[in-house]
Amino acid sequence: AQSVAQPEDQVNVAEGNPLTVKCTYSVSGNPYLFWYVQYPNRGLQFLLKYITGDNLVKGSYGFEAEFNKSQTSFHLKKPSALVSDSALYFCAVRDRRDDKIIFGKGTRLHILP
Amino acid sequence: NAGVMQNPRHLVRRRGQEARLRCSPMKGHSHVYWYRQLPEEGLKFMVYLQKENIIDESGMPKERFSAEFPKEGPSILRIQQVVRGDSAAYFCASSPPQGINYGYTFGSGTRLTVV
Repeated sequence: AQSVAQPEDQVNVAEGNPLTVKCTYSVSGNPYLFWYVQYPNRGLQFLLKYITGDNLVKGSYGFEAEFNKSQTSFHLKKPSALVSDSALYFCAVRDRRDDKIIFGKGTRLHILP
Repeated sequence: NAGVMQNPRHLVRRRGQEARLRCSPMKGHSHVYWYRQLPEEGLKFMVYLQKENIIDESGMPKERFSAEFPKEGPSILRIQQVVRGDSAAYFCASSPPQGINYGYTFGSGTRLTVV
């Protein structure tokens, strides 16, 4: 069965600094990988996905993520953080033989002004 | 093209009552997924449905919880005899019939409070 680990409950970054939110996954086959963001009292919004091809994936709001098969990781990154990036971020994985997506516990990102 | 619509947004029930949560998928989407988000926890998969079929209910509690997605109308998540521990945000997501290669589209959720 697939699983996702987000080792950090919270990440604090100063505005303007680069940010990284970590994610590792476990699936038996080749994965589909996703990042979603949740703002307070809202649903989840899609940020980016890895399906196949280039390991560096670019998404919404200047975010990107790098698929690393050997380390089974899919870390979310942004070169320069904004206060408005403060939110709850979820990494998710789908085994290509399954139809459901499994989410990590989420990482709360605080961007400090 | 409306997104995934969930209602009600907020639902308060007394212990022992029934809760009915509704989800209308995006137009053209025939796959529906329900997730539960508990405070300080991530999203937990509950059930995956297609029209008139439950495909995967491995995340559903064995008792009191049921889900349906009829041929006509929204998908319904039903919780009978609610208890305080059922208080959570319940999210619905949908995807098109050709699969979820491109992820889900989520609704804004129903926040259930059991008093």
